[in-house]
Amino acid sequence: DAGVIQSPRHEVTEMGQEVTLRCKPISGHNSLFWYRQTMMRGLELLIYFNNNVPIDDSGMPEDRFSAKMPNASFSTLKIQPSEPRDSAVYFCASSDRGSTGANVLTFGAGSRLTVL
Amino acid sequence: KNEVEQSPQNLTAQEGEFITINCSYSVGISALHWLQQHPGGGIVSLFMLSSGKKKHGRLIATINIQEKHSSLHITASHPRDSAVYICAVSQGAQKLVFGQGTRLTINP
Repeated sequence: DAGVIQSPRHEVTEMGQEVTLRCKPISGHNSLFWYRQTMMRGLELLIYFNNNVPIDDSGMPEDRFSAKMPNASFSTLKIQPSEPRDSAVYFCASSDRGSTGANVLTFGAGSRLTVL
Repeated sequence: KNEVEQSPQNLTAQEGEFITINCSYSVGISALHWLQQHPGGGIVSLFMLSSGKKKHGRLIATINIQEKHSSLHITASHPRDSAVYICAVSQGAQKLVFGQGTRLTINP
């Protein structure tokens, strides 16, 4: 398996532009997570999906952020309009939720976003 | 106060030394995770544990549920162990709360 695949790896854009980050989870994993990492706040959960359904989006900063998972093999995180404070590394992770309800996560390589 | 506290924040040691990184948490958890983030940025899950101890190669993770404390140990440390080590706890479901990380540098 190629692991969790994220694209783009790096994106530089101007304030006000729309940004779309993409994630392909590991085949067979039924949970998908979007995290954001900044120097100031560390890693934060933005949203997660179980079986393509959003379960908890309380970490999504504001209405400018939206996430979708149209099928089991693809998810997007969209920022519109983008602002400089959105600059961060965005990680996607997936897991196969077991009977305990918690399972080891596999992370993608991350998408480094810079908003000028 | 953060729900997950790690110590130390930074740790520098010589190759071969025994390393301990600590994690304390203040909430009820279903599991605790140790993650490793290398300078290139990628994050790897090292351990997930809810009781006792787990060992993988030179890495050992322990957890004391009563004291709400976990430790990550590295035996015979090596420069390639240099990374940021992150403790995270699962609170029901699969939502993770992260510590701020411990930056470990192992000098040859």
